[in-house]
Amino acid sequence: DIQMTQSPSSLSASEGERVTVACRASQSLSHNLNWYQQRAGEAPKLLISDASSLQSGVPSRFSGSGSGTYFTLTIASLRPEDSATYYCQQSSSTPITFGQGTRLEIK
Amino acid sequence: QVQLVQSGAEVKKPGDSVTVSCKASGYIFTNYYFHWVRQAPGQGLEWMGIFNPSGGGRNYAQKFQDRVTMTRDTSTSTIFLELRSLTSDDTAVYYCARVRGDNGYTPLAYWGQGTLVSVSS
Repeated sequence: DIQMTQSPSSLSASEGERVTVACRASQSLSHNLNWYQQRAGEAPKLLISDASSLQSGVPSRFSGSGSGTYFTLTIASLRPEDSATYYCQQSSSTPITFGQGTRLEIK
Repeated sequence: QVQLVQSGAEVKKPGDSVTVSCKASGYIFTNYYFHWVRQAPGQGLEWMGIFNPSGGGRNYAQKFQDRVTMTRDTSTSTIFLELRSLTSDDTAVYYCARVRGDNGYTPLAYWGQGTLVSVSS
């Protein structure tokens, strides 16, 4: 199985700040890496697919980059509604695996 | 618009079985694969398996291989997840999710609202 490791596990930042979440895979994924946002009490929401493709309707302050085994999710200027847990997910091979999540708190 | 509506919360005892349903609408049901993902309280996302509503093909996570069954009813555009021999470790919110594209392993673009299954004696 491909192991997905996110860092940090949690972070706290102020509105307007720029934050980056990292995701490392135990094997090369090429670009088969997706990012999801899960707000408290809600289902996950697809933010970014194929490492860097922003989904329709997702604000442009979100961006993704990386390939192979290292990927990042960046939020350029935090807003209160970005408070959530973020998960990376590999779709390169089964079983599909998720990172453990990064909880983002807006101060 | 694509909608996935799941069945309501369930309370079960250890050893019981549970079936969760996920009714799809807003597109051609058989054109896109589904996945089931669960989330224990306060924990992360755990993949359970993939299901093809067209031919009924499936691939289960090894952890659940012996006690999970995924099926569908094409007449109602509904997929089902049955999990048997429940233990307290199966207490979780269960999500169905539909892929975005015509490959079963494209991103999970649409999610149901989740179904809480509680297992307690």
